[in-house]
Amino acid sequence: GQNIDQPTEMTATEGAIVQINCTYQTSGFNGLFWYQQHAGEAPTFLSYNVLDGLEEKGRFSSFLSRSKGYSYLLLKELQMKDSASYLCAVVDSNYQLIWGAGTKLIIKP
Amino acid sequence: DTAVSQTPKYLVTQMGNDKSIKCEQNLGHDTMYWYKQDSKKFLKIMFSYNNKELIINETVPNRFSPKSPDKAHLNLHINSLELGDSAVYFCASSQASQEILNTEAFFGQGTRLTVV
Repeated sequence: GQNIDQPTEMTATEGAIVQINCTYQTSGFNGLFWYQQHAGEAPTFLSYNVLDGLEEKGRFSSFLSRSKGYSYLLLKELQMKDSASYLCAVVDSNYQLIWGAGTKLIIKP
Repeated sequence: DTAVSQTPKYLVTQMGNDKSIKCEQNLGHDTMYWYKQDSKKFLKIMFSYNNKELIINETVPNRFSPKSPDKAHLNLHINSLELGDSAVYFCASSQASQEILNTEAFFGQGTRLTVV
């Protein structure tokens, strides 16, 4: 079967750095997305990785290792508005998005 | 201009009723999706549909059926609603294909369905 694992919940302090991990086992791999979802709202796109390495975009960076079936999302200079769920999703061999359950990130002052 | 819009935003109904949720996208995407997000926040694909193929998640009860009058619309019909159907339903669209892999999925704002 296909499986994506993320921690259920993480807590971090405003101004700090947090890394959210995602491991996956899917039938084929055509890229990995990270989405942000605030409570009661729709998921919104953060990043896409298809090659190994780190992609940086402002305060957010995403890393991929295809050989390890592993990705992480790195959030720097945390702000209170970063409190949200972060969803990892993999595009499988049928170009379908397979979703993780999401990691709820709680930011404390 | 809303890229993916779904209606209604909230839907409260009694067990046994039949209801529909509408979804429209103006992005010109070929593929549309319905997702269910339950109380545990797990986003599960229910259907994906493009102008060539309907892919159904085999775990979805046949009380749920997608209807696509055209490429820009994918409505969700639910028959004989049950308490366990209470969840947030998201419509989405994308243009992912063999040629275009990194096209993100755009989501509607969700429909919170409560079955009482």
